[in-house]
Amino acid sequence: AQSVTQPDIHITVSEGASLELRCNYSYGATPYLFWYVQSPGQGLQLLLKYFSGDTLVQGIKGFEAEFKRSQSSFNLRKPSVHWSDAAEYFCAAWNQAGTALIFGKGTTLSVSS
Amino acid sequence: EAGVTQFPSHSVIEKGQTVTLRCDPISGHDNLYWYRRVMGKEIKFLLHFVKESKQDESGMPNNRFLAERTGGTYSTLKVQPAELEDSGVYFCASSPRVAAFGQFFGPGTRLTVL
Repeated sequence: AQSVTQPDIHITVSEGASLELRCNYSYGATPYLFWYVQSPGQGLQLLLKYFSGDTLVQGIKGFEAEFKRSQSSFNLRKPSVHWSDAAEYFCAAWNQAGTALIFGKGTTLSVSS
Repeated sequence: EAGVTQFPSHSVIEKGQTVTLRCDPISGHDNLYWYRRVMGKEIKFLLHFVKESKQDESGMPNNRFLAERTGGTYSTLKVQPAELEDSGVYFCASSPRVAAFGQFFGPGTRLTVL
């Protein structure tokens, strides 16, 4: 069955440090991949998406993600984390039918000063 | 442009009662989705509307859940009767006709069944 895995439940980084959140997917064909962020009391906000083409995609708020087919990964990165980035991050992929998103369990990011 | 809105933001009910959740999608979005996150688990798909038609309801847990989308605008999700395991956060999302551009999510309704 198709699945999305986020191996890290909780990550803490220092403000100003770089960030990488991991995401792996299981899917035969090239998937449509997404990263969402949920801040406390807010809905899920789309950070970026990958459909095809350039494997390095840029998103909002200074985030980027790289699709690596050989590793079945779509890791999210940010060069310098701000305190306002503390939130829960979700990786997701379209299901094979293209009718719904399959989510990972989420990674909670804490930012220390 | 207004985003996806959901009402109520939080509902606490007793086991056996009925609750109705409402979702107003972004105006003009044909696709409307319901998802649920049970505590400690991943967000899971419940069903998908295209306009007023149910396209996929494979994620609906059982027949205690009923979703409607009147006139292809807002949608309701009714749980009747509610059970303890129905507690969680219910998200609604909408997307344009070309759904691959991504789904836009509402803030969710936190349902607590006591």
